Amino acid sequence: KNEVEQSPQNLTAQEGEFITINCSYSVGISALHWLQQHPGGGIVSLFMLSSGKKKHGRLIATINIQEKHSSLHITASHPRDSAVYICAVPDSGGGADGLTFGKGTHLIIQP
Amino acid sequence: GAGVSQSPSNKVTEKGKDVELRCDPISGHTALYWYRQSLGQGLEFLIYFQGNSAPDKSGLPSDRFSAERTGGSVSTLTIQRTQQEDSAVYLCASSLSTHLGTQYFGPGTRLTVL
Repeated sequence: KNEVEQSPQNLTAQEGEFITINCSYSVGISALHWLQQHPGGGIVSLFMLSSGKKKHGRLIATINIQEKHSSLHITASHPRDSAVYICAVPDSGGGADGLTFGKGTHLIIQP
Repeated sequence: GAGVSQSPSNKVTEKGKDVELRCDPISGHTALYWYRQSLGQGLEFLIYFQGNSAPDKSGLPSDRFSAERTGGSVSTLTIQRTQQEDSAVYLCASSLSTHLGTQYFGPGTRLTVL
């Protein structure tokens, strides 16, 4: 079973700062997911990536398969980015089953 | 288009009662997943379906939990003889296929067992 570690657990930053959230996992995977959960509870899939880098607006996700590590970056952070960011990987690595989730990073962006 | 829907959005029940939670996946999505998030806890995988079959039931916490999916679409998660520790938000997600598929999450059902 895959194990996921996220850091930091909590992060408070000022508007405009560059944010980095890290995720490490224990078993080689086919793809890694970054999810966003807002205070109301809804979960949105931000990225699913299996190699390299993906960018969507101010969000960038990178993954290093050899090192079993991924990062989520937010550029020019804004208070509306305040949410819990969750890293998730396939339960057993292969992708054909459920996800194992990190405990999440609680991000607060202050104006 | 329509996203994943779940019903009810909230359910309050008494200990020992059975409850049934429903998930309507995105049309055409063959893979369907159930997760739960207990208060202050992370997300936990329960079960997934590929079509109508459930290859992996290992995440179900006890034999009081069961799930089915019929017609490759709607799924129900049933909890029998509910206990207070079953209180959580139950989330459903669907994806086009299990392999390398982005999962789209429903809004969840908040279950409270008194």
